Formats: sequence, structure tokens, C-alpha cells
Amino acid sequence: AQSVTQLDSHVSVSEGTPVLLRCNYSSSYSPSLFWYVQHPNKGLQLLLKYTSAATLVKGINGFEAEFKKSETSFHLTKPSAHMSDAAEYFCVVSDRNYGGSQGNLIFGKGTKLSVKP
Amino acid sequence: DAGITQSPRHKVTETGTPVTLRCHQTENHRYMYWYRQDPGHGLRLIHYSYGVKDTDKGEVSDGYSVSRSKTEDFLLTLESATSSQTSVYFCAISTRVGNIQYFGAGTRLSVL
Repeated sequence: AQSVTQLDSHVSVSEGTPVLLRCNYSSSYSPSLFWYVQHPNKGLQLLLKYTSAATLVKGINGFEAEFKKSETSFHLTKPSAHMSDAAEYFCVVSDRNYGGSQGNLIFGKGTKLSVKP
Repeated sequence: DAGITQSPRHKVTETGTPVTLRCHQTENHRYMYWYRQDPGHGLRLIHYSYGVKDTDKGEVSDGYSVSRSKTEDFLLTLESATSSQTSVYFCAISTRVGNIQYFGAGTRLSVL
């Protein structure tokens, strides 16, 4: 069964320092993996998506994530945090079942990113 | 918010009353979803639809029903609201299962 674990519920960084948000997944076949961002009182917005084309995926606003099958990880990084990056981030997995059909999205519990000036 | 409108945006109701939330899309996407978001739980799927009159249950469907009579509208009904249904509800759409989903702005529901 597919699942996703976000290893930190809250991460705090200073503006201009790197961001690392950690995500591990469980998948029985070939997962699709996503990162979404939610700013306060807003809906969710797609940051990036992995679908096996390339292990390093670049997203919007300078974020990127690397798919590591051996570690079942899909960590989100950004070289330099900006105040506007303060938000909640969700790691999401979608797996194929044995019939070959893609399953629904499964969301992690979220990591809240705070950025200090 | 990708042509998705949720209404109402905020609602306060009393325990035992019926409540209907509406999701309207202008993208003509086949799949529509209702999620609830609660602190510490992320988003959990309530129900989803894969076409007009075609719906299925998600992870937390108890106490909820849905209907989809037109491609563009997906309704979520709480037949008899309970305090445990106080939450933020999000509608999402996609072209395929497991593909990118686009989200509405959410409805904040308080059941007193």
C-alpha cells in the first residue's frame, strides 16, 4: 500500500539559508510524486511533479526535489529561503495498482516552513 | 485557482442541520474530488467523481454524500452535521486519476 511520511512537522530557517523538507514514501510499483505548497488561508498549489522522466525535478520559485529510489525519499530543497516561502508544504504520492491503474493521491501530514528575517 | 469556485467560503451551522457545499469548475475536467483538511492530518479524501453521476468513496466518507449531475458541479452534503465535521473543505479537479490536481480556495465550516 502506498503511503508518505513527512519527517518534520515544522522547519524554521533564516532568510537566505538553504531549505530542506524531508519526505519518505512507500510504494509497491512506480510512484508519481508531488510537492504542493499552501500559503495561509489559500488553496494548494503544485510546486513540482516526478513521473520517472528524471530523478531531479525542478519546480517553481527555485524549489527542486530529488527522487532516490534506494532511499525511498523525495526531499524538497531550495538554495536560499525567501520570506515569501513561509507556508505549509505537502508531499504527495500516487501509485499504480496491480491492474496498472493509477491510484488516487495520498497526502503527507504537511511541514510548516517558517522563515526568519 | 484554476477555474474552480467553492461556495460558500465560510459557513457556521448547528449540530444536526444539513449542509451542502458546492464546487464549480470551468475547466471541463473529468475528475473532481472533495477533501477535508485538519491540523496534523494533511488532506484526506472524502469522495471523488470520475464522471457525471459516477462517484466513489474516499478514506473518510462516513457522514458525507456527494452528487454530480453536471460535469462542472460537484456537491458535498452533510446530511446531519456534527462537531467532528468542523474542518476546511477543499475541492480539486484533474484530467486523470493520479495526475496533477488543481485546488479551489476552500470552504471553512464550523459546526457548533
